[in-house]
Amino acid sequence: RKEVEQDPGPFNVPEGATVAFNCTYSNSASQSFFWYRQDCRKEPKLLMSVYSSGNEDGRFTAQLNRASQYISLLIRDSKLSDSATYLCVVKREGYSTLTFGKGTMLLVSP
Amino acid sequence: EAGVAQSPRYKIIEKRQSVAFWCNPISGHATLYWYQQILGQGPKLLIQFQNNGVVDDSQLPKDRFSAERLKGVDSTLKIQPAKLEDSAVYLCASSPQDNEQFFGPGTRLTVL
Repeated sequence: RKEVEQDPGPFNVPEGATVAFNCTYSNSASQSFFWYRQDCRKEPKLLMSVYSSGNEDGRFTAQLNRASQYISLLIRDSKLSDSATYLCVVKREGYSTLTFGKGTMLLVSP
Repeated sequence: EAGVAQSPRYKIIEKRQSVAFWCNPISGHATLYWYQQILGQGPKLLIQFQNNGVVDDSQLPKDRFSAERLKGVDSTLKIQPAKLEDSAVYLCASSPQDNEQFFGPGTRLTVL
């Protein structure tokens, strides 16, 4: 079983839609969680960290369920500019290295 | 603030040839990472440096890949000899200690 698993998509949604991605991780020692965004042919960039209490940044909401070992990202009111690949990332306790999922591709259409 | 710099941006070589990539991290960042990203996959860590010391190279194919960060600043990653399956984007990232990692634009390698 891969350490971080995501549905690769693509998710095709119209502008204004709400879309949610899930990610599961296998290592219960995972301590820190992140969502990175990667535009086509560009480098990954940190979108947001994911906290146990859940956190929101504008139209983006991230949640963590430690018991079920999954992480979610909700995007409300999708914009064309949200089209990208969203990478789920975990970091184990005591390590600074990141483990990336394969990413979920989102395509927002007019 | 200048970001992570990488060169070259693109490289095409034939299998069994050698290739080297260069990375200059953000000034003051002690930690430097090299990742390999194969098409359709997430980045996979190859090696992590803390200043000029190796912290983790467990996923580096040491029979053909090598990396160094001699003065604790910029770094080079070398592949010798290259194989077809080495075709990928090689991403360099840096971070100040154990914080957010900032990625460079990557080097896109094609092995023919």
